Amino acid sequence: DGGITQSPKYLFRKEGQNVTLSCEQNLNHDAMYWYRQDPGQGLRLIYYSQIVNDFQKGDIAEGYSVSREKKESFPLTVTSAQKNPTAFYLCASSIARSNTGELFFGEGSRLTVL
Amino acid sequence: KNEVEQSPQNLTAQEGEFITINCSYSVGISALHWLQQHPGGGIVSLFMLSSGKKKHGRLIATINIQEKHSSLHITASHPRDSAVYICAVITGNQFYFGTGTSLTVIP
Repeated sequence: DGGITQSPKYLFRKEGQNVTLSCEQNLNHDAMYWYRQDPGQGLRLIYYSQIVNDFQKGDIAEGYSVSREKKESFPLTVTSAQKNPTAFYLCASSIARSNTGELFFGEGSRLTVL
Repeated sequence: KNEVEQSPQNLTAQEGEFITINCSYSVGISALHWLQQHPGGGIVSLFMLSSGKKKHGRLIATINIQEKHSSLHITASHPRDSAVYICAVITGNQFYFGTGTSLTVIP
């Protein structure tokens, strides 16, 4: 079945460490997104990519980095520069960013900084 | 200022009740999504609307573009409907998300 796979589902990190969250899709979608979800807030956009080897900052990109070397993969690195990284992270994809098509989400990754 | 407002924030219903969740938005949109977030965190798309009304099983979604308002209705609610329901709008290349409505259906 087509879909988006995120891993790991749960991740614990010590302060000062970088961690990378994986996002893989087999939907042949051009556009991929990373969102952060905090209690009581709507999803906030971290980074998005419309095409391989290109990505753009979202509203809260500071302390995060991404890459898009393959169409299927859009990993997110949470760096030590991110001041408050404990959150739920969601990866999503759509056919194209300018398209009003359906948005597909992964199951999410919950990051806790100890 | 939130571009998308949902009400209520929390909702508890008895099994079998008719449920309505409301979404108001302040920007011009090309489409509106209703999403369902399960307790484990995964999100699925229920509807995408640009006008009128859509129905899928016990779920009905309506949108009034002039009033910038959408509603999600659940008929004959069931405990398995317990989830967070999120309204999201698309304007230009941007998605805006509401904070969600947490629904609990009691047997």
